[in-house]
Amino acid sequence: EVQVVESGGGLVKPGGSLRLSCAGSGFSFSNAWMSWVRQAPGKGLEWVGRIKSKISGETTDYAAPVKGRFTISRDDSIDTLYLQMNSLETEDTGVYYCTTIALTVTTNHYYYMDVWGKGTTVTVSS
Amino acid sequence: DIQMTQSPSSLSASVGDRLTITCRASQSINSYLNWFQQKPGEAPKFLIYAASSLQSGVPSRFSGSGSGTDFTLTISCLQPEDFATYYCQQSYSTPWTFGQGTKVEIK
Repeated sequence: EVQVVESGGGLVKPGGSLRLSCAGSGFSFSNAWMSWVRQAPGKGLEWVGRIKSKISGETTDYAAPVKGRFTISRDDSIDTLYLQMNSLETEDTGVYYCTTIALTVTTNHYYYMDVWGKGTTVTVSS
Repeated sequence: DIQMTQSPSSLSASVGDRLTITCRASQSINSYLNWFQQKPGEAPKFLIYAASSLQSGVPSRFSGSGSGTDFTLTISCLQPEDFATYYCQQSYSTPWTFGQGTKVEIK
């Protein structure tokens, strides 16, 4: 079964740091593009960023609100994705989901976030 | 950034109804449009990619259409388990962006 499981959430003070982890299983993690999506309490979904596979250059892209503060990385040797969050703000509070990114093999490359974890909760509060 | 706008933000419907949710992009995204379903307390579930391609295992009462800037998600015969919030999302360019969501409630 393909699955991803997030961990590392918790309570942190504004200005603090936290690192989330996401363990993948049931698929070729090293070939997978991965992403993080978050959801503030009672709000909608917000894409945080993605990381490509090593063979695709392992490049990263981020949403504007987190650029320069958050870093996505991966350790393919242990099938784990990370989200390093620095300079945390109260607006970063929410549930953080890890997802796999699938790609169609048609002429047009369609990307979609197909497998989601259950999420891990981050609370930024003094 | 590409803005995604869904309408309506919420609606009430009955079991057996046919309903349509609209998603509009602030610029053309060809068919790079995905749909998700989320129930309270649960992670989102992926439904449709490339505007109209149903993910494996998703019931055929769900369908998607559109291209360019205007898209729709249709549920042909609403079932009790379909009451949830639905999100569209563009994967045409980063940053990927979601619509604000459409909450489907029981009438």
